[in-house]
Amino acid sequence: NAGVTQTPKFQVLKTGQSMTLQCAQDMNHEYMSWYRQDPGMGLRLIHYSVGAGITDQGEVPNGYNVSRSTTEDFPLRLLSAAPSQTSVYFCASSYSDTVNEQFFGPGTRLTVL
Amino acid sequence: AQSVTQPDIHITVSEGASLELRCNYSYGATPYLFWYVQSPGQGLQLLLKYFSGDTLVQGIKGFEAEFKRSQSSFNLRKPSVHWSDAAEYFCAVVRGTTDSWGKFQFGAGTQVVVTP
Repeated sequence: NAGVTQTPKFQVLKTGQSMTLQCAQDMNHEYMSWYRQDPGMGLRLIHYSVGAGITDQGEVPNGYNVSRSTTEDFPLRLLSAAPSQTSVYFCASSYSDTVNEQFFGPGTRLTVL
Repeated sequence: AQSVTQPDIHITVSEGASLELRCNYSYGATPYLFWYVQSPGQGLQLLLKYFSGDTLVQGIKGFEAEFKRSQSSFNLRKPSVHWSDAAEYFCAVVRGTTDSWGKFQFGAGTQVVVTP
């Protein structure tokens, strides 16, 4: 199993550009989440999904969009990038039968100029 | 609203010495509690978790944590630190309600530096 994969590993954008961060998992997990990690702030939940077709907002959803058409994939879209979105982004997944360990991807380091 | 506090931003410890990382949570009921470790440039790896039962839980890499309901704490400990334990450590909580099972709330993290 590859676990949770994220692409790209690094990305530089200009203000106003849009892009999609990709996340995929091969563990048949129902829950998938996106976090951003900023120094001194830990990880903050952006959006999450409890299954295909179902998404919900987390703590910091503004400026981000998600959809979940399959169990495996959970892309995160930046609609119009801003310097405040410079961060490291992590995708995570877990089973949904109860509270379970979340498995994390390796992260995407995004810089917005 | 629930919150997670890791009071120590940065800890320096000598190799072979003991380590204790603090975590306090604010939540009306007992949440599900986790400790994760993040090595430089890596994703997060689970060290241990507490759901119920025995309040002293054992994890990987020689770590353990103790849940104290009266203090709303879940502190992480290791008796003898190795240089490879240098990393950032995160405490996380999850509410026990069905609609929150996938919503992890993380503390700000504690950076651990190990000196020779």
